[in-house]
Amino acid sequence: AQKITQTQPGMFVQEKEAVTLDCTYDTSDPSYGLFWYKQPSSGEMIFLIYQGSYDQQNATEGRYSLNFQKARKSANLVISASQLGDSAMYFCAMRVLRGYEKLTFGTGTRLTIIP
Amino acid sequence: DAGITQSPRYKITETGRQVTLMCHQTWSHSYMFWYRQDLGHGLRLIYYSAAADITDKGEVPDGYVVSRSKTENFPLTLESATRSQTSVYFCASSSASDIEKLFFGSGTQLSVL
Repeated sequence: AQKITQTQPGMFVQEKEAVTLDCTYDTSDPSYGLFWYKQPSSGEMIFLIYQGSYDQQNATEGRYSLNFQKARKSANLVISASQLGDSAMYFCAMRVLRGYEKLTFGTGTRLTIIP
Repeated sequence: DAGITQSPRYKITETGRQVTLMCHQTWSHSYMFWYRQDLGHGLRLIYYSAAADITDKGEVPDGYVVSRSKTENFPLTLESATRSQTSVYFCASSSASDIEKLFFGSGTQLSVL
């Protein structure tokens, strides 16, 4: 079975600082994908970034990057130059090749950006 | 406007009643999913569908029924609602060719009294 662990229930960060949200995962499947989603107070889930287990480089999407450390089974999300609009709930998720339709989510981290 | 829409946005019902949550997507995505979101549990998969007339159980399927007679619709029915089914329900979809990108609806907040 797959498992995603997010150990930070909440974080407070000063505006314009960089933020790292932690995510560790556990799977015996060699082929998998890791995702981060943002959930603002309005409730919708927004896809942010994706990293494949065989990707050689860390994924980046604008101010978002994924610090992928395969040996440590971690997939931390880094947000550079945080903005007030980054305040939201953030979920790490994983999908494996076998049963690839299913996304397993962590419990989330609530990020609050302080002006 | 294209996208994935859920209805209703909010629903209050009583224990024992049947409730159906609707989900509609305009992208012709093959895959559709139902998740529930509860504090301390994140999102948990209830049911998913790989195509019309193909559905399968997720992590927490008990008490729920789904159908997919058309690609664009994926309704979720609570046959006899219980208080433990009070939750926020999210529908999602993804294409077979770009399966890493899951698109979510805005959610349905369901309260069972």
